[in-house]
Amino acid sequence: DADVTQTPRNRITKTGKRIMLECSQTKGHDRMYWYRQDPGLGLRLIYYSFDVKDINKGEISDGYSVSRQAQAKFSLSLESAIPNQTALYFCATSDADKPGAFEQFFGPGTRLTVL
Amino acid sequence: AQSVTQLGSHVSVSEGALVLLRCNYSSSVPPYLFWYVQYPNQGLQLLLKYTTGATLVKGINGFEAEFKKSETSFHLTKPSAHMSDAAEYFCAVEGGSQGNLIFGKGTKLSVKP
Repeated sequence: DADVTQTPRNRITKTGKRIMLECSQTKGHDRMYWYRQDPGLGLRLIYYSFDVKDINKGEISDGYSVSRQAQAKFSLSLESAIPNQTALYFCATSDADKPGAFEQFFGPGTRLTVL
Repeated sequence: AQSVTQLGSHVSVSEGALVLLRCNYSSSVPPYLFWYVQYPNQGLQLLLKYTTGATLVKGINGFEAEFKKSETSFHLTKPSAHMSDAAEYFCAVEGGSQGNLIFGKGTKLSVKP
């Protein structure tokens, strides 16, 4: 089984709709991240969480919110989706307890299209 | 603030030829550097990383990268390209206390038969 899973894998929605992307991990990591990928722009950080009670905005948090329901679960919400939020979204985890271990482990991604 | 520049959004090589993907970084502290690969319709997979110690880092699938502090570079190489190497490659630097990664914009590698 994959260590980091994302649901759904693909989603098409309409402008103004609320949508939630979910991420679960079995790696036991404390740190979780949400990124979006746009062609030619690489990956940009939306939100990150060091533990259940520690949630922080990233570079491009406007229009998004998150919820850390448990150590293993980190959800990303678009309260009112707009077309320029069409992108590939990745969840990632890392283990803060290992020295120099800033390696991140990525889920398979969710392709979101907002019409 | 940390940043990453990848030279060339597209690189095309012939099968068996040398692969060289360029990455330059900016960091105010000793950097942790990474190369990730993304195959079509898949997530990102770690190729290799530099944290401390030896500046020549070997990764999976025959790739390696050399950390050159004087040049602020971390170029990725592979002596002989294979068709299966066709993918998008991302260089990243650790972004500070939050532990996130700062990614370059990516380089798409094509391998011609």
